[in-house]
Amino acid sequence: NAGVMQNPRHLVRRRGQEARLRCSPMKGHSHVYWYRQLPEEGLKFMVYLQKENIIDESGMPKERFSAEFPKEGPSILRIQQVVRGDSAAYFCASSPPWGVYGYTFGSGTRLTVV
Amino acid sequence: SQQGEEDPQALSIQEGENATMNCSYKTSINNLQWYRQNSGRGLVHLILIRSNEREKHSGRLRVTLDTSKKSSSLLITASRAADTASYFCATDSGNTPLVFGKGTRLSVIA
Repeated sequence: NAGVMQNPRHLVRRRGQEARLRCSPMKGHSHVYWYRQLPEEGLKFMVYLQKENIIDESGMPKERFSAEFPKEGPSILRIQQVVRGDSAAYFCASSPPWGVYGYTFGSGTRLTVV
Repeated sequence: SQQGEEDPQALSIQEGENATMNCSYKTSINNLQWYRQNSGRGLVHLILIRSNEREKHSGRLRVTLDTSKKSSSLLITASRAADTASYFCATDSGNTPLVFGKGTRLSVIA
């Protein structure tokens, strides 16, 4: 039973390009969360999704950032026209649709904008 | 917004000693959780304590929760070099995503 799979592990983009980060939740988990972490900082919540629905995007920047979790396939975090300030580690986590459980995290995608 | 605030920011101890980390939060919560993050890796869930619980144990971990003071502590007994990591508390207030603190960096020296 594989855990949360994120890819790529490392992503380098030039300023102005697009970054696509993928997350496949743990089997049986239908809730997906995206967090951003800057060096020596905690995790900042970005967006919470269920299949085909954005439940809470209060942590997402208003521009250039979008997220989806389609009926089939992984969740995608998309950053358009990246800037140097977008450089960070982006973590995806998933949880089951019932009860109260801890999140299962992926290993993250480290985005570097050059 | 950052809900949890861990204290201290960094902690260095000798192997075999106990490590205590504290977490304070601002608003009412349903649950509080502790996570560990090894350098460059994802977070690993350690323990969850509900708002109506005061203490919980899991192996060498002991967590306490004082809702009147809006604070929690994580105690790691008989620490090992492998416990070196950053430790984060996280809170939820019902059906809300977890909000994490900035973490405590623990170094256990062999």
